[in-house]
Amino acid sequence: EIVLTQSPGTLSLSPGERATLSCRASQSVSNSYLAWYQQKPGQAPRLLMYGASNRATGIPDRFSGSGSGTDFTLTITRLEPEDFAVYYCQQYGSSPPYSFGQGTKLEIK
Amino acid sequence: EVQLVESGGGLVQPGGSLRLSCAVSGFTFTNYWMTWIRQAPGKGLEWVANMNQDGSEKCYVDSVKGRFTVSRDNAKSSLYLQMNSLRAEDTAVYYCARAVGVSRYSASYLYWGQGILVTVSS
Repeated sequence: EIVLTQSPGTLSLSPGERATLSCRASQSVSNSYLAWYQQKPGQAPRLLMYGASNRATGIPDRFSGSGSGTDFTLTITRLEPEDFAVYYCQQYGSSPPYSFGQGTKLEIK
Repeated sequence: EVQLVESGGGLVQPGGSLRLSCAVSGFTFTNYWMTWIRQAPGKGLEWVANMNQDGSEKCYVDSVKGRFTVSRDNAKSSLYLQMNSLRAEDTAVYYCARAVGVSRYSASYLYWGQGILVTVSS
């Protein structure tokens, strides 16, 4: 099973700043089958990116994803107040069960 | 509008059973793999189980194998999770989810239910 490690655990930034979130896999993720989700308290997760770099429907272009193999990045340029949340990566490149990272909390500085 | 609505959660004693349901609408249910994902209180997401379009393929995370059974009723556009021999560590919000696409390889989850809480405690 592929283990995903997200860093940092908590990221403290101000609105308008740039956020860079990392997701490292214990082995290569086939076909860059890596997704990113945003979750706010009391809500279901929301898909942001799939296939490492494809934005899901309705996701603003300040969100971008990159990476391949074992290293992936979610970048949020010009943070908006509504972007402060917990972010998870998930791999689906191997046979199930699929795995999630432990999450990065993006908090207002 | 795509909707996934879970039901059947609640408080159950250790060793007990519970059956979760997920009723879907707004898309052709028979075209998609369906998945259960859970989240323990204050913790991260854990993939639990999935099932293919006709129910012939299922997969489970090791921690629930032999205790949980995923099923579906395509005539009712519903997904189920039968949970037996429940343990305290099964306490979580359970989500049903649908992937972006119809392929088995399309396992990023675009649509989620609101989640249903299962509490296992004496």
